[in-house]
Amino acid sequence: GENVEQHPSTLSVQEGDSAVIKCTYSDSASNYFPWYKQELGKRPQLIIDIRSNVGEKKDQRIAVTLNKTAKHFSLHITETQPEDSAVYFCAASGDSGNTGKLIFGQGTTLQVKP
Amino acid sequence: NAGVMQNPRHLVRRRGQEARLRCSPMKGHSHVYWYRQLPEEGLKFMVYLQKENIIDESGMPKERFSAEFPKEGPSILRIQQVVRGDSAAYFCASSPSSGNSPLHFGNGTRLTVT
Repeated sequence: GENVEQHPSTLSVQEGDSAVIKCTYSDSASNYFPWYKQELGKRPQLIIDIRSNVGEKKDQRIAVTLNKTAKHFSLHITETQPEDSAVYFCAASGDSGNTGKLIFGQGTTLQVKP
Repeated sequence: NAGVMQNPRHLVRRRGQEARLRCSPMKGHSHVYWYRQLPEEGLKFMVYLQKENIIDESGMPKERFSAEFPKEGPSILRIQQVVRGDSAAYFCASSPSSGNSPLHFGNGTRLTVT
């Protein structure tokens, strides 16, 4: 089955700096890659997603890149703010049977220091 | 449009008791997914259901855990004879289709086994 690896597990940046989180996946049939943000004690919330027919997608300060050949994708946050502090999870669609199941990475705890 | 509704938010059970967790998907969503999150860990897929059908239960423990999504009413995740290791946050998510759609998460049920 699909396996998703996420790095780093923790990331600390100064306010205004950029943050990059990287993920790799194992199943070449995966074709949908969302990113979720989870604040302490709250539910995961979708922040951006990308499908395999696209190499890059941007939404204001957030961008995601996908390299299908290398089976890795990355989240880029520019001009970080203290409210960006949270745990971020990458995910990949879990199988070629299109059940919609997502397999998640282990998470990255991002701390933005004011 | 109400989001995914889970109840209870917090559930305390003694070892050996049963836990029943409920999830009502977003209006118009017929696909339900259950995930478990241990403290400071990622989201682990448990089971995927459509109305009256279990589609993928590859993440469910073989014993004591069951899930259903009846024709009427919420989806239920049932844990029999709970043990301390079952303590976790259980998140339900729903989507309108099975093909690479974002999953919308509820606020979770935090189960504590004493």
